[in-house]
Amino acid sequence: DQQVKQNSPSLSVQEGRISILNCDYTNSMFDYFLWYKKYPAEGPTFLISISSIKDKNEDGRFTVFLNKSAKHLSLHIVPSQPGDSAVYFCAGQGGSEKLVFGKGTKLTVNP
Amino acid sequence: EPEVTQTPSHQVTQMGQEVILRCVPISNHLYFYWYRQILGQKVEFLVSFYNNEISEKSEIFDDQFSVERPDGSNFTLKIRSTKLEDSAMYFCASSVGRVAGNTIYFGEGSWLTVV
Repeated sequence: DQQVKQNSPSLSVQEGRISILNCDYTNSMFDYFLWYKKYPAEGPTFLISISSIKDKNEDGRFTVFLNKSAKHLSLHIVPSQPGDSAVYFCAGQGGSEKLVFGKGTKLTVNP
Repeated sequence: EPEVTQTPSHQVTQMGQEVILRCVPISNHLYFYWYRQILGQKVEFLVSFYNNEISEKSEIFDDQFSVERPDGSNFTLKIRSTKLEDSAMYFCASSVGRVAGNTIYFGEGSWLTVV
């Protein structure tokens, strides 16, 4: 079941630069997409979401872009900080309350 | 900030034993969930629970699993006869409502090791 795909297992960026995390999906029934951040030995923490009827949502340093025709979304973090180092999960939600997660991308922000 | 709390944080159990994982969802939330993450794999949905009954469950959630809300605050996941492949981090979660887009808040997880 590969409804949500995060093809990059890891990403490394310099502090202050932009981090771009990508996510592709196959399920056209998703109504919302959510990004969660996870530190080791902790639960996922909600970061930002976007409705399928929008193409952009911004919250401080975090912006999510949705391209429905390409079934692609991305999370931009500007500027990146060392505290942003974590695993980022993309998730789709639609038709029910359950979340379908991708495998995650480990972001490392180097000082 | 209100949070979902889970106990135990880590449990080691013999194969075939019963395990109960406990959760206290956020107090005004009405929907409760269990997810799990096997080491190195994605977070997977197990079950959702609303109004004292299961509203949705995945293929993983077979007859070995059950959920219960024994009182007004706790939400439990029981695994009747654990298998080695049940070893995973189990996350409890809750949300205010069912409408897509309601944020689902996760607890810190209960790490289950079956030996």
